[in-house]
Amino acid sequence: QQQVKQSPQSLIVQKGGISIINCAYENTAFDYFPWYQQFPGKGPALLIAIRPDVSEKKEGRFTISFNKSAKQFSLHIMDSQPGDSATYFCAASPNQAGTALIFGKGTTLSVSS
Amino acid sequence: NAGVTQTPKFQVLKTGQSMTLQCAQDMNHEYMSWYRQDPGMGLRLIHYSVGAGITDQGEVPNGYNVSRSTTEDFPLRLLSAAPSQTSVYFCASSRMVSGNQPQHFGDGTRLSIL
Repeated sequence: QQQVKQSPQSLIVQKGGISIINCAYENTAFDYFPWYQQFPGKGPALLIAIRPDVSEKKEGRFTISFNKSAKQFSLHIMDSQPGDSATYFCAASPNQAGTALIFGKGTTLSVSS
Repeated sequence: NAGVTQTPKFQVLKTGQSMTLQCAQDMNHEYMSWYRQDPGMGLRLIHYSVGAGITDQGEVPNGYNVSRSTTEDFPLRLLSAAPSQTSVYFCASSRMVSGNQPQHFGDGTRLSIL
């Protein structure tokens, strides 16, 4: 059973456009929702994370929107740039030290110039 | 400060061979884990450790062994390599304080089993 469902699998956006990646989860015990960014040949790196006591978190051009009742969260990349081209993973876990992250299957983003 | 270091970066094995993937971190992190990444499958947890001497299984542990004798090192052992274990393997570490902490990933080991 896939606990974190991510869509779309791939995304092509023009430079300056908005990239939107969606995730849905099933386990109501999940209490921590990070997004990771991965460039080819590199390991994933934390991009931004949110806890469910807020509905939105913004860091620069990156925003997480969180809908607790729908058990969904999304990543918005404003003014997308070619340098944003990467694979993005959403993840979730209970907010408890030492618990494992459950990852979505990833979205490959290509930003065309 | 090197972060999480994985060796080797690439490896080709024959079916049935054994090998150890090395992972070391210099951040004094208590929590360490191993993931495998396959196309279209995301990152799947193999094993993890919450401290020296303590390990536990993740989602896909079969065919892999781990041990944690020091805080810094968390090697992953393939006992008898199978083609299904062809994958990119990532090691990650994080602090163990209340609530979840950012996972720091290494740059991976790309493993091919022939």
